[in-house]
Amino acid sequence: EDKVVQSPLSLVVHEGDTVTLNCSYEVTNFRSLLWYKQEKKAPTFLFMLTSSGIEKKSGRLSSILDKKELSSILNITATQTGDSAIYLCAVEEVYKLSFGAGTTVTVRA
Amino acid sequence: EAGVAQSPRYKIIEKRQSVAFWCNPISGHATLYWYQQILGQGPKLLIQFQNNGVVDDSQLPKDRFSAERLKGVDSTLKIQPAKLEDSAVYLCASSLVLYTDTQYFGPGTRLTVL
Repeated sequence: EDKVVQSPLSLVVHEGDTVTLNCSYEVTNFRSLLWYKQEKKAPTFLFMLTSSGIEKKSGRLSSILDKKELSSILNITATQTGDSAIYLCAVEEVYKLSFGAGTTVTVRA
Repeated sequence: EAGVAQSPRYKIIEKRQSVAFWCNPISGHATLYWYQQILGQGPKLLIQFQNNGVVDDSQLPKDRFSAERLKGVDSTLKIQPAKLEDSAVYLCASSLVLYTDTQYFGPGTRLTVL
C-alpha cells in the first residue's frame, strides 16, 4: 500500500556529477509534494510543490512536479560531498504527510 | 528562532519496559506531529495535534503508545510496554498552521529496545 515510492534507493556519484532523484505517488486528495534532506536525524525542508510544471530552484537544487504523471524529480547539479544525505519525498493529503523511504545519495571526493 | 527541542537524544531499554519522549515545538506553532522512523524507511506519522486536540492518530498503536499535549505547547509520547520492533528514531515536528505549511523537525530520539 505504498503511497509514495522513491527511486533509486541509493546511488554513489563523484563530486561535480549531476543526480536526478525520482518520486512517484498515489494519493486520493493531493495537496502538495515536499522534498526534505535528512542528514544524521532531522529532515530539513527543501521544496514544496503544488503546481504542475513549475520548477522550483535553490542554488544547485531544483525540483519539478508532474501532476499528470503523479511524479516529481529532484535534481542536484555540480554535486559536493556536503550533498551526501538521504533525500525524502513526502506527499501531503488532507491532515496527513506520507513519506517515501528516501534515496541515499553518497558523493565521493 | 529556537528550533524544535526533543529529549532524550538516545534511549536504550529492555523489552517490556516503559519509555517517554518529550518535545517542545517552535514557539507559536499550533500543530505538533510525532513520527516513527525505522531504519531504512521514511518517517511514519503516529499522531498529530492541533493545539491540545488530536487531529489524526490513526497509525498510533494505541494498545502500547500514548501521547498528550495538555497545554497546547509541549508534548510527551509514551510507550508501555516496549517491544523490539519499536526500535526507531522518534521525530517530533511542528508547523504554524494545520494546512499546507512547512513542518520543522526536531533532532529526534533514537530508541533501542533490547
